[in-house]
Amino acid sequence: EAGVAQSPRYKIIEKRQSVAFWCNPISGHATLYWYQQILGQGPKLLIQFQNNGVVDDSQLPKDRFSAERLKGVDSTLKIQPAKLEDSAVYLCASNAPGPGEQYFGPGTRLTVT
Amino acid sequence: GENVEQHPSTLSVQEGDSAVIKCTYSDSASNYFPWYKQELGKGPQLIIDIRSNVGEKKDQRIAVTLNKTAKHFSLHITETQPEDSAVYFCAARRGGKLIFGQGTELSVKP
Repeated sequence: EAGVAQSPRYKIIEKRQSVAFWCNPISGHATLYWYQQILGQGPKLLIQFQNNGVVDDSQLPKDRFSAERLKGVDSTLKIQPAKLEDSAVYLCASNAPGPGEQYFGPGTRLTVT
Repeated sequence: GENVEQHPSTLSVQEGDSAVIKCTYSDSASNYFPWYKQELGKGPQLIIDIRSNVGEKKDQRIAVTLNKTAKHFSLHITETQPEDSAVYFCAARRGGKLIFGQGTELSVKP
């Protein structure tokens, strides 16, 4: 079974630029999550999708972050404009319906200079 | 909302010794407690989990205990090996949302 795929793996941008991350969850997994992991901290949930609907985006800084999952499969997370404090690893995770395990992708390491 | 505290932040042990990592949570409605291992450059990987109706669970060298009354749970790794070196995260889930602890960097010295 293929795991959660993310791209790119690394990205360096200057502040005020925009950036987008892509995630392909495990086939059949209806629930998809985006997490932000700042160095030395645990992952923090940004947004949760159930199919193509948003379940929880209470922690998403909506003035600069946006996410979509148009066909209920792949998802993109965008930051525009980026700030220095957005430097982090952005993790995508998915799980099958029900209270199952969340499977994480390898993450995208973003550096904002 | 839920808050998860994890201790210690770093832990160094000799190969073959045991390692214990402890977490406390604040929301008594949390009902699922996974532990993740994260190696450098990789995403977190589930190593063991426990549900609120169980007090202890073991899988080979790894065990987790849960005390619902005190709202704390612990990860126990016995006979540690160098490949156990990584960052370990506890988490608590209420509904569909996982709240993670701050992580413990475990170093196993040969």
